[in-house]
Amino acid sequence: AQSVTQPDIHITVSEGASLELRCNYSYGATPYLFWYVQSPGQGLQLLLKYFSGDTLVQGIKGFEAEFKRSQSSFNLRKPSVHWSDAAEYFCAVGSNTGNQFYFGTGTSLTVIP
Amino acid sequence: DSGVTQTPKHLITATGQRVTLRCSPRSGDLSVYWYQQSLDQGLQFLIQYYNGEERAKGNILERFSAQQFPDLHSELNLSSLELGDSALYFCASSVNGRGAGETQYFGPGTRLLVL
Repeated sequence: AQSVTQPDIHITVSEGASLELRCNYSYGATPYLFWYVQSPGQGLQLLLKYFSGDTLVQGIKGFEAEFKRSQSSFNLRKPSVHWSDAAEYFCAVGSNTGNQFYFGTGTSLTVIP
Repeated sequence: DSGVTQTPKHLITATGQRVTLRCSPRSGDLSVYWYQQSLDQGLQFLIQYYNGEERAKGNILERFSAQQFPDLHSELNLSSLELGDSALYFCASSVNGRGAGETQYFGPGTRLLVL
């Protein structure tokens, strides 16, 4: 069965520091992978997605993620975090044959000055 | 702004009651998805409709039902409400309803509180 694990429930980084949010998935075939961000009181916004091709994916707001099949990972990175990046981040995996998304439990990011 | 609208934003009701949540997809999107986000269960897929027809079902309780109307808006009906149904309910839409094969755009959610 498909599943997504975000091992870090909460992360605190200083503004300007680099960021990496971890995501591991379990899926039998090539997955579709996504990162969403949820700001307080808001819906989910798509940051980036991986369907196939180049394993390094560029997204909005300066985020990128790298698909590593050997590690079943799709970690999200940003070289320099801004205070406005404080939010909840969700990794999701989908099937190329089914219609369901499976979300991780989310990582809450706090940015300190 | 994703272009997906949901009403109401907040809903407070009592146990045993029934409520209806409404979602209007982005212009041009044919498919609507419903999700429930709660503290203990996280974000879970409930159900998907495509052009008026049910296409996929997730962890949706029998007390819950949904439909998509000819104008493509969708309603999620929650009945015999229990305290545990308190959650944030999201609607998302996509163009062709290929599920994970295409981007889903999420609405701002309806926060339901059952007292």
